[in-house]
Amino acid sequence: AQKITQTQPGMFVQEKEAVTLDCTYDTSDQSYGLFWYKQPSSGEMIFLIYQGSYDEQNATEGRYSLNFQKARKSANLVISASQLGDSAMYFCAMRDRGSSNTGKLIFGQGTTLQVKP
Amino acid sequence: NAGVTQTPKFRVLKTGQSMTLLCAQDMNHEYMYWYRQDPGMGLRLIHYSVGEGTTAKGEVPDGYNVSRLKKQNFLLGLESAAPSQTSVYFCASSYGGMQVYEQYFGPGTRLTVT
Repeated sequence: AQKITQTQPGMFVQEKEAVTLDCTYDTSDQSYGLFWYKQPSSGEMIFLIYQGSYDEQNATEGRYSLNFQKARKSANLVISASQLGDSAMYFCAMRDRGSSNTGKLIFGQGTTLQVKP
Repeated sequence: NAGVTQTPKFRVLKTGQSMTLLCAQDMNHEYMYWYRQDPGMGLRLIHYSVGEGTTAKGEVPDGYNVSRLKKQNFLLGLESAAPSQTSVYFCASSYGGMQVYEQYFGPGTRLTVT
């Protein structure tokens, strides 16, 4: 069965430092996609970054990058130069080939990140 | 564009009451989804739709019904609310097809059942 695991319920990082949020996944499919979403205290879900299983390069979007290690089935989110506004809950999600005609996502439990000034 | 909107934002129900949550999107998306978010459990898919007139069950469909009579709207109904349905409900939408697209989320509806 497909599964997303985020083992860090809460994380702290000093402002301007980098932080890595862990995500491991389980799927038997060869074709799949991994997403990261941010949920600030206001509650909305904001799409951050996407990595396809066949993408050779790690995805990057501004200060966000995805450390994709396919053999280890991990897709960690790296936030560089943390800002106070990065304080939020972060969710890792996966879409696999079985959901290619529905777009369904499976979400992890989330990691709460707090950035200290 | 308003994106994805949800009505209402907050609601308190008594056990046994019914209600409908409305989701609307103005991005011409084919796919729409209803999730619930509970503390420590992430988002779980309730029902989804891949097009007007079609709906399907997700991971936690019991106690809910949905309808997609128009492409832009996706309704979530609770026929007889239970305290276990206290949660934050999110609607999302995305483009359809084989290419991967991100889901766009609404602001959420906080529902309390007493």
